Parts: sequence; structure tokens; C-alpha cells
Amino acid sequence: QLQLQESGSGLVKPSQTLSLTCAVSGGSISIGVYSWSWIRQSPGKGLEWIGFIYHSGGIYYNPSLKSRVTISVDRSKNEFFLNLSSVTAADTAIYYCARDYIGGDSRAFGIWGQGTMVTVSS
Amino acid sequence: QSVLTQPPSVSGAPGQRVTISCTGGSSNVGAGYDVHWYQQLPGTAPKLLIYGDSNRPSGVPDRFSGSKSGTSASLAITGLQVEDEADYYCQSYDSSLSARVFGGGTTLTVL
Repeated sequence: QLQLQESGSGLVKPSQTLSLTCAVSGGSISIGVYSWSWIRQSPGKGLEWIGFIYHSGGIYYNPSLKSRVTISVDRSKNEFFLNLSSVTAADTAIYYCARDYIGGDSRAFGIWGQGTMVTVSS
Repeated sequence: QSVLTQPPSVSGAPGQRVTISCTGGSSNVGAGYDVHWYQQLPGTAPKLLIYGDSNRPSGVPDRFSGSKSGTSASLAITGLQVEDEADYYCQSYDSSLSARVFGGGTTLTVL
């Protein structure tokens, strides 16, 4: 079955760039009509959708983070990535990657990685 | 302040029925966008519980059900079990924000 696994820098200094990878196993990132998302969860703000990349290559970001976020994909490695620049303590959170669950016309976040904790601190 | 408003906590005894509300507005739930529900057990990632307002993915017990009316949605859990203790989140799309949005979450305690 499909599994997602986040990895990357667990400690990032303020003003630097947070970089995370989501490795997809048990299925191809290139097959189907799914979107591949990044979501974060912090104690102060709960769950927050960061953005996703569509199967077609289209990329959509949360406008509240758009100026600092880049999501990309390497289909040959079956991985997608998150870069978040100019981080502050407010970006400290558990970061999840997720894939759609598609039911009829409905899309929800159906398959989640286990999450990776990122702390922003000097 | 979340776009979708949930009660911070609800509780119930084993075997009882509880409901969790999710109140939005005219740019999200009230506009007809789907509402989804997630269950997050302590220390784990959220799990999809209900999609498209009232549909259960395969493997989710029929004790869990969802509904929507106007600008609000609800998650109902019947035959409450101790293992249902978790945080529950609603999620939808907001056209004003052009973003997928979550509720603030509700902690369910089984007494």
C-alpha cells in the first residue's frame, strides 16, 4: 500500500530556509490524478494547509505562505519537496506530507506521512 | 482564529452518542464546498474519517457519520468507545482565502 515518509532538517535557524522531502513508496507519484500536499501542525495554529502539486504539474500554495513557499517534485525518485524560506519561530511545527483521497467529485487528505518535527531556533 | 469553528472539547460515556459541530460561513461550508473530517489519535498523524460531507472511506466503522446543513457541518459518533478518544478536525475549502482550511479541532474525552 502507498506510504509517505517525510525527512529533512529538524532544526533550522531563524531567517534560513526549511527543506523537507516526502518519499513515496508502494506506488508511483506519476500515476493517477492525485495532488500531493504539505500540511503543518503547530500548537498555536492547529492544522494548516501549505500547498500541493497536482499530477499535471500545477502547483497551488496557501496565499498566507505563498511568498515563502516552493513545492517541487522529482518523479524519477518518486519524491516531492518543500522549501520554506525566511523562517521564524512561528514556523515551528510538525510537517506532514499527504496524498488525496478521491471519492466521486470530492478530494480530501487521504494518506498521510507520519510527520516530521521542525524547530526554528538559533 | 480558525475559519471553521469547532468546540474545543466534548465528552461522553462509553456507549453514548456525541456530536461535534463545525461552523463556517458563506465562502466555505455555506458555499457548498465539501466538508471532511479527520481523527488524530495521540502522537499520530490525522486519519481521514469522513469525506464529502457524509461518506466513509473503506474501513471506517459506521458508528461515525457526517452531515451538513447551511453553514455548519457535524460529526456524530454513536456507541462511544474508549479508543475514540482523540482530536477531531473538520476541513473544507474557502473561496475568499483560496485555500483548504481546517477547524481548530475538538478533543473528545470518553469518560
